[in-house]
Amino acid sequence: AQKITQTQPGMFVQEKEAVTLDCTYDTSDPSYGLFWYKQPSSGEMIFLIYQGSYDQQNATEGRYSLNFQKARKSANLVISASQLGDSAMYFCAMRERTTGNQFYFGTGTSLTVIP
Amino acid sequence: NAGVTQTPKFQVLKTGQSMTLQCAQDMNHEYMSWYRQDPGMGLRLIHYSVGAGITDQGEVPNGYNVSRSTTEDFPLRLLSAAPSQTSVYFCASSYSLGLAGDEQFFGPGTRLTVL
Repeated sequence: AQKITQTQPGMFVQEKEAVTLDCTYDTSDPSYGLFWYKQPSSGEMIFLIYQGSYDQQNATEGRYSLNFQKARKSANLVISASQLGDSAMYFCAMRERTTGNQFYFGTGTSLTVIP
Repeated sequence: NAGVTQTPKFQVLKTGQSMTLQCAQDMNHEYMSWYRQDPGMGLRLIHYSVGAGITDQGEVPNGYNVSRSTTEDFPLRLLSAAPSQTSVYFCASSYSLGLAGDEQFFGPGTRLTVL
């Protein structure tokens, strides 16, 4: 079974609007971390936001927030007030303690911000 | 602080040739890993290491070897290159192991083509 599932291969959003990128995960480990990374066309991987499995509140980092629904095993990324520079691939990832802290990545979502 | 460095940035090989992709980090991270990124498949873990002298296989280890003789360096060796190994390769590192919440820092990637 896939550890991380991203079901939206491509998304479009109007500039200044908010957008939600979906991510579901599969784990039986009570201790895990969820991450979102951005990969612009230049190719580098940029860390955006982290949510721990024991965190009570949803993580936020500037315009990024993570909608963490533990019972549903979802960790959706919300980008508010989209900017043209947000156009990129976005990857959801998970790290579990029981598998030696390996990272598992989803297949990514390509976001295009329309002016 | 250079972070995670990778060399070379681009490489073209002929089928059957061998080569080593270099990766180094100067952040004293215990955890290092190699991924390959192929279109539509996200990042897949090849090998990882939780400290000097300790390595383990990831999801797609066949055709690759690694070693970790120092904390700083984690080279990836292609034993006999095949066209199926044409990909972008990323090296990454993170603090340990005890917490699931440590993000990974990525190198800039190596674009490998096997003819």
